[in-house]
Amino acid sequence: SQQGEEDPQALSIQEGENATMNCSYKTSINNLQWYRQNSGRGLVHLILIRSNEREKHSGRLRVTLDTSKKSSSLLITASRAADTASYFCATGGTGGFKTIFGAGTRLFVKA
Amino acid sequence: NAGVTQTPKFQVLKTGQSMTLQCAQDMNHEYMSWYRQDPGMGLRLIHYSVGAGITDQGEVPNGYNVSRSTTEDFPLRLLSAAPSQTSVYFCASSYSPGSMNTEAFFGQGTRLTVV
Repeated sequence: SQQGEEDPQALSIQEGENATMNCSYKTSINNLQWYRQNSGRGLVHLILIRSNEREKHSGRLRVTLDTSKKSSSLLITASRAADTASYFCATGGTGGFKTIFGAGTRLFVKA
Repeated sequence: NAGVTQTPKFQVLKTGQSMTLQCAQDMNHEYMSWYRQDPGMGLRLIHYSVGAGITDQGEVPNGYNVSRSTTEDFPLRLLSAAPSQTSVYFCASSYSPGSMNTEAFFGQGTRLTVV
């Protein structure tokens, strides 16, 4: 079974609105990462948050991490049509060397 | 830098055929991995390697073999292709996932169809 589970599975919003995606995981982690995948392409790294961090910002992205609840959220502010993509969380475990991905959230931003 | 290069981009196999998907990276990353992506399933880890000569199984290793003779290359072999292996395959490389600097770089994928 997959380590990360994103919620919702799909999200449709208007351009300019904020988009929030959530990720839950099962085991202890060293870090949690978010990736974007445009249709038919490889994944692109967006942001990494370490297990001892609670919040991180990068441009229009804001990531939070709650290790007590084993959950993270990704907020995209002032969304654009170009943000239309699938978003995945991935976890690097304390056990060592596996990076496990969730099933992703499909975001559609309407112009 | 080319990053992570996967070949081929597309492949059609007949059931029972074998083939090798190639993956090469030029970033001197010690960690490389193979994932398959099926509709609605996200990415599932097939095999991974933490350095030359060291490989281990991921979540869905059956029907696949890997080897890591050099830091740069991490080929994935399908031993006897089955329709259930129809998928998009991604190779990725990074520093150790347990490290603080573990951004993964992905290839563009190989779309495999087994008929």
